[in-house]
Amino acid sequence: NAGVTQTPKFQVLKTGQSMTLQCAQDMNHEYMSWYRQDPGMGLRLIHYSVGAGITDQGEVPNGYNVSRSTTEDFPLRLLSAAPSQTSVYFCASSYFDLRAGSYEQYFGPGTRLTVT
Amino acid sequence: ELKVEQNPLFLSMQEGKNYTIYCNYSTTSDRLYWYRQDPGKSLESLFVLLSNGAVKQEGRLMASLDTKARLSTLHITAAVHDLSATYFCAVVRVWGGSNYKLTFGKGTLLTVNP
Repeated sequence: NAGVTQTPKFQVLKTGQSMTLQCAQDMNHEYMSWYRQDPGMGLRLIHYSVGAGITDQGEVPNGYNVSRSTTEDFPLRLLSAAPSQTSVYFCASSYFDLRAGSYEQYFGPGTRLTVT
Repeated sequence: ELKVEQNPLFLSMQEGKNYTIYCNYSTTSDRLYWYRQDPGKSLESLFVLLSNGAVKQEGRLMASLDTKARLSTLHITAAVHDLSATYFCAVVRVWGGSNYKLTFGKGTLLTVNP
């Protein structure tokens, strides 16, 4: 299993450009989510999906779009990049472990995005 | 709105010393997670605490949960340099049957000095 993969690892954008951060998982997890991590802020939820075709907003959704056409993929689109979106972005997939009674979350390696 | 507060946010320790990181949360939850993050890396799951009084230990780290006080602690015993990292606690909120969300604390940057 590759687990959760993210591309690219690093990206520099100019203000106003758009791009898509890719996220894929091969564990057949229904639940996927995107977080951003900023210094001193912990991780904040951008968007999440409970299954193919279903997405919803998290704490900080403005400026981002998502779609979930397959169980495996959950891309994050920046519509018009702004310097405030400079951050490290983590994708995660998760499932509820009935035996353990816990939500097991797997994080991708992250994408470091700089917007100038 | 669920809030998760960690303290301290920065912790500089000497090798061999003990210390505790605290995680307070604002609303009822019975699942609390601790993660470790090394610089430039992703998050690694350390512990899941599922019930009041739960205690888990791995090496020099021990985590506990008091759901009545809405408090979890991560205790470090006889710190070594390899424990230097950022530690996050996170609390689950569940709603609507299949929706759930982790809310993270801001993290504690631990530096263990020789």
